[in-house]
Parts: sequence; structure tokens; C-alpha cells
Amino acid sequence: DVKVTQSSRYLVKRTGEKVFLECVQDMDHENMFWYRQDPGLGLRLIYFSYDVKMKEKGDIPEGYSVSREKKERFSLILESASTNQTSMYLCASSPRLAPLVLEFFGPGTRLTVL
Amino acid sequence: QKEVEQNSGPLSVPEGAIASLNCTYSDRGSQSFFWYRQYSGKSPELIMFIYSNGDKEDGRFTAQLNKASQYVSLLIRDSQPSDSATYLCAPLARATNKLIFGTGTLLAVQP
Repeated sequence: DVKVTQSSRYLVKRTGEKVFLECVQDMDHENMFWYRQDPGLGLRLIYFSYDVKMKEKGDIPEGYSVSREKKERFSLILESASTNQTSMYLCASSPRLAPLVLEFFGPGTRLTVL
Repeated sequence: QKEVEQNSGPLSVPEGAIASLNCTYSDRGSQSFFWYRQYSGKSPELIMFIYSNGDKEDGRFTAQLNKASQYVSLLIRDSQPSDSATYLCAPLARATNKLIFGTGTLLAVQP
């Protein structure tokens, strides 16, 4: 019954490292999203993608990039990790006909940058 | 003013009571509203969404929307300890067509 998976539940990295967070969905959804969740700030959209090789900036894209080479996979990249990127990262997907009904979230990756 | 305001709680209710979770939003153009439940350490789960003014019922859950007052609420009838979680309100911003998440209300149902 697996729908959206993320490569790691917990990750610890050092400042300046390049970090890859992977998200895979098995529902053939066109739309995929990356959020981060911080106490007192709620979920904030980093990037989203409506199709393979397409990407759009969300509300807080600075310090992040994304890659979508295959429909089922959406990767979030921290080019040079910083301590203020310590957060819970959540991936989500949705179908083309209901792009904004975010029903399926991955389990999350809790990233700590030391 | 925050775009989405929710009382952080905790809102404590006894088992079997009605829990009322409230949310106000600033974007008068918002047309669609989503409620998510998030257990501690888990990812959000979509509970309900509502588009029209009035009430929408789904099992023990009722969403209420008043666009004139820019107010949306979630009622949980016959609250159970398993309902203890953080509830996130998320209006769809008309200008950007993106969900704007509130910071959530922590609900604690006491056995």
C-alpha cells in the first residue's frame, strides 16, 4: 500500500555538504511537491513540478534546487547545506485533474545540519 | 496579520465530547479550504475539504465555512483519544493557486 516514499527518515549532515532528498510515488501522478515544516511556521512550499523536467519555485526556494527526470521521482537538492535548513522535509503528489488536492504525503525526512 | 490563524492549543476535550477547531484566513479570494490531521512525528493526512458556504459532513467530521467572516472550522463529534493530533487548516490562495497552511491546533482528547 506504499504510495509516496522518501529516501531517508532521518539524516544528519554537516554544513557545506551537498544533500539529496529523494521522493518516489507509485500513483502515476503528474504533480509533485516539496515542503518543509518548522515549528511555528507551518508547512512552506519549496518547489513543485507539474511534469517531467518541469519545475516551479514555491515560496522559499532559496538554497534549494530540484530535479525531475522521471515522472515518479522528484529530488530536492541542498547545494551547500546550512544550519537554517535543519527541518522536516515533506514530499507530496497529486494527479493532474486535482492538482491542488494534496492527499498523499510521504513520511518525511528529518534533516539535521550540524 | 498572518495569512492563516489557528489557535495553537492544546485544546483539551473529554472523550465523547465535540471538539471545535477554528481557523481564520486573510485572503478574501480563497475559495477552497482543506483540513489535515497530523499525528506527532507523522506526515499530514487530508481529512476534508470544503468549497461552499455552510456545512459539509463526513462521518464524525463536519467542516463549516463562512466566507463573509473568513472563517472555517472543523467539528469532531464523539471525540476519541485516537483523534489526538494537530489539525492543520489550509486555504487555497486565489492569486497564487497554492495552499497556505496554518500552524495547526493541537487537540488532546482525554479518556
